[in-house]
Amino acid sequence: AQSVTQLGSHVSVSEGALVLLRCNYSSSVPPYLFWYVQYPNKGLQLLLKYTSAATLVKGINGFEAEFKKSETSFHLTKPSAHMSDAAEYFCAVSEGRGTYKYIFGTGTRLKVLA
Amino acid sequence: SAVISQKPSRDICQRGTSLTIQCQVDSQVTMMFWYRQQPGQSLTLIATANQGSEATYESGFVIDKFPISRPNLTFSTLTVSNMSPEDSSIYLCSVGTGGANEQFFGPGTRLTVL
Repeated sequence: AQSVTQLGSHVSVSEGALVLLRCNYSSSVPPYLFWYVQYPNKGLQLLLKYTSAATLVKGINGFEAEFKKSETSFHLTKPSAHMSDAAEYFCAVSEGRGTYKYIFGTGTRLKVLA
Repeated sequence: SAVISQKPSRDICQRGTSLTIQCQVDSQVTMMFWYRQQPGQSLTLIATANQGSEATYESGFVIDKFPISRPNLTFSTLTVSNMSPEDSSIYLCSVGTGGANEQFFGPGTRLTVL
């Protein structure tokens, strides 16, 4: 069965600094990987998705993630943090092709310091 | 994508009572999901609700506690029955759509049980 691990439940960065949020999946290659963002008191919004078409995936709001099979990772990055990026970020993996069932990571809360 | 609304957005309930949460989608979708997000936690799948069939519950969740209806392709309800303070959570519905198994989430219902 698939699993996903997010290292760091809380990450703080200064405004303008690089954002790096870590996500590792289980050893079997998942068909699809996702990053979602949850702003305070809101539902989840899809940031980006990996579908095997390209290892570097660009998403909304300047975020991107790189799929690295050798490291079983799908880390989320943004070159320059903005105050509005403060939110909870969830990595998720689909259980397999043909299913919409996800396994979610435990989430990383991003704090952006002025 | 899909636009999803939930009612109510929040509620405060007394223990022993029941609350029905509604989820409305702006397009016809086959697969809908209900999640629970306990305070400070990640998302846990409660059940999958496909139109025309009984909901499929995940381990730890039972129909008597969380009855689900799915009368058509744009609507579903989740009832939280005989509530206790441990049921205080955010409840989110999502729909599965798109070629890459994307899920789109509603804004959530924030439930507090006293």
